Amino acid sequence: AQSVAQPEDQVNVAEGNPLTVKCTYSVSGNPYLFWYVQYPNRGLQFLLKYITGDNLVKGSYGFEAEFNKSQTSFHLKKPSALVSDSALYFCAVRPRRGGGFKTIFGAGTRLFVKA
Amino acid sequence: GAVVSQHPSRVICKSGTSVKIECRSLDFQATTMFWYRQFPKKSLMLMATSNEGSKATYEQGVEKDKFLINHASLTLSTLTVTSAHPEDSSFYICSARTSGSSSYEQYFGPGTRLTVT
Repeated sequence: AQSVAQPEDQVNVAEGNPLTVKCTYSVSGNPYLFWYVQYPNRGLQFLLKYITGDNLVKGSYGFEAEFNKSQTSFHLKKPSALVSDSALYFCAVRPRRGGGFKTIFGAGTRLFVKA
Repeated sequence: GAVVSQHPSRVICKSGTSVKIECRSLDFQATTMFWYRQFPKKSLMLMATSNEGSKATYEQGVEKDKFLINHASLTLSTLTVTSAHPEDSSFYICSARTSGSSSYEQYFGPGTRLTVT
């Protein structure tokens, strides 16, 4: 079965330190990869996507993600965390072919950035 | 970027009543709309996929007679929770996608918090 794994329920980091939120996937082919952020009682906001090309993708609010095909990973990173980055982050994967083209979401990782 | 709105943002209703949630794509035509349900501190659960002008496709375990979805136009989809019960209380999020070369993009609404008393 196709799946997306975010192994950490929660990530704690001090403000100013680098952060990483992990994501691995088990989806056939070369899927589209996404990261979304959700603030309390809000919908999902798009952060970045990988479609093709350079493995390092830069997105909104200083976030970036690195696609690693051999490890089927798409970890989200930021060089210097802000308290305002505290939120719930979702990794999502969408097959390019088949599967009804449905987006598969990870379980989410809650990021806490401490001042 | 593309904007998706949802109305209402928050609704409280009594058990046994029906509630309608609207999802609109404001500046693009949404050939496909998705309805998700999110439980507290959980991921999004896809409920159904709807294409404009055709019947929605429901995910396994989702009661189509309870969660009525209508996608009458390219900018509007509605989710009606019929005979609501407290266990239907949840955060409902819609998402829209266009056709064409950008069809991998999904745009999410802000969500609707439903509380059934």
